[in-house]
Amino acid sequence: SQQGEEDPQALSIQEGENATMNCSYKTSINNLQWYRQNSGRGLVHLILIRSNEREKHSGRLRVTLDTSKKSSSLLITASRAADTASYFCATDATNKLIFGTGTLLAVQP
Amino acid sequence: KAGVTQTPRYLIKTRGQQVTLSCSPISGHRSVSWYQQTPGQGLQFLFEYFSETQRNKGNFPGRFSGRQFSNSRSEMNVSTLELGDSALYLCASSLGAFNQPQHFGDGTRLSIL
Repeated sequence: SQQGEEDPQALSIQEGENATMNCSYKTSINNLQWYRQNSGRGLVHLILIRSNEREKHSGRLRVTLDTSKKSSSLLITASRAADTASYFCATDATNKLIFGTGTLLAVQP
Repeated sequence: KAGVTQTPRYLIKTRGQQVTLSCSPISGHRSVSWYQQTPGQGLQFLFEYFSETQRNKGNFPGRFSGRQFSNSRSEMNVSTLELGDSALYLCASSLGAFNQPQHFGDGTRLSIL
């Protein structure tokens, strides 16, 4: 079964807008990772946040983690058409990566 | 540095056949994991190998098996193929621990007729 559930399932925005996607998970974790997948390709690692961290930044990406609510969010600022992809959270609670259901982001030029 | 390479990229098989997929990890990476991705079930963990030993296994039937060679290259085999095995099979490598980023190949698209 999926460890993570992402919300929304799909998101459509205009170029330049911010995109926020959320991930909820079920059990305690060591860390949480976010990945991007372009259509027909493999996943690309974006950012990793450890369970003792609350927020992390990488370029236009900002990730937050709330372990008390078992949730994380990924914010992409100033989105570009090239950000169009599926985004997945993944947790490693049991020494294996369990992926969420993914958010399909479409950025309209 | 070359990325993770999976071969073949596309494969068409019929029910009852068996198939072997190959994965060459990034040089120096000792952990190789396999995932199945389908529209209905999403990304599901198959198994992980580290230094030629299976370290973790997901909830898949015994028809799914794998192995890792001394050079860290890995293969997965699916026997007695079923229609439901149609999927994108992804391989990922890392230095060794799950608190490290996984580097994915572009996958093998397996279609069962």
